[in-house]
Amino acid sequence: EIVLTQSPGTLSLSPGERATLSCRASQSVSSSYLAWYQQKPGQAPRLLINGASSRATGIPDRFSGSGSGTDFTLTISRLEPEDFAVYYCQQYGSSPETFGQGTKLEIK
Amino acid sequence: QVHLVQSGAEVKKPGASVKVSCKASGYTFTGYYMYWVRQAPGQGLEWMGWINPNSGGTNYAQKFQGRVTMTRDTSISATYMELNRLRSDDTAVYYCAKAGWTLVRGVGGWFDPWGQGTLVTVSS
Repeated sequence: EIVLTQSPGTLSLSPGERATLSCRASQSVSSSYLAWYQQKPGQAPRLLINGASSRATGIPDRFSGSGSGTDFTLTISRLEPEDFAVYYCQQYGSSPETFGQGTKLEIK
Repeated sequence: QVHLVQSGAEVKKPGASVKVSCKASGYTFTGYYMYWVRQAPGQGLEWMGWINPNSGGTNYAQKFQGRVTMTRDTSISATYMELNRLRSDDTAVYYCAKAGWTLVRGVGGWFDPWGQGTLVTVSS
């Protein structure tokens, strides 16, 4: 199974700053089948990005995804107060469709 | 609009079983795989398996083999996840999630949307 490692574990930033979250896979993710999810306390995860770089419906354009192979990045260009949450990457190119351990984005 | 609505919270004793339901609306139920994912308190997301609502075929994570059963009822667009021989470390929020592409394309796909989650507490 593909193991996804996210870094950093916690990211402390201020509103208006740029956030860069990393997701590294133990082997190449086929066809860039990588997704990013946002999860707020007490809520289910919400899809942000699929196909490594395609924003899901209704997701603001300050969220962008990039990468291929084994290295992927989620960038939030200018943080809004509602962006502070936990972010997970997931590969769905091979079964089981594994998740990273998450990056917590907290207010500095 | 696509919605997944799950059953309510459960409290179970060790050794018991729990069955969580997930009712779908807003799309062709038999056209998309349904996944189950769980999240222990303060922890990350753990893939449990999937069911093909069209055929009833399933695939479970090795960790849960022999303890989990996923079923569906196409007449009411519902899927079910039953976990047996519960232990305290099964305490978690259990989510259903719809695959992002049609099952004609094969198993897999991103997960969207997710159900609201069902808290299962295992305690003596």
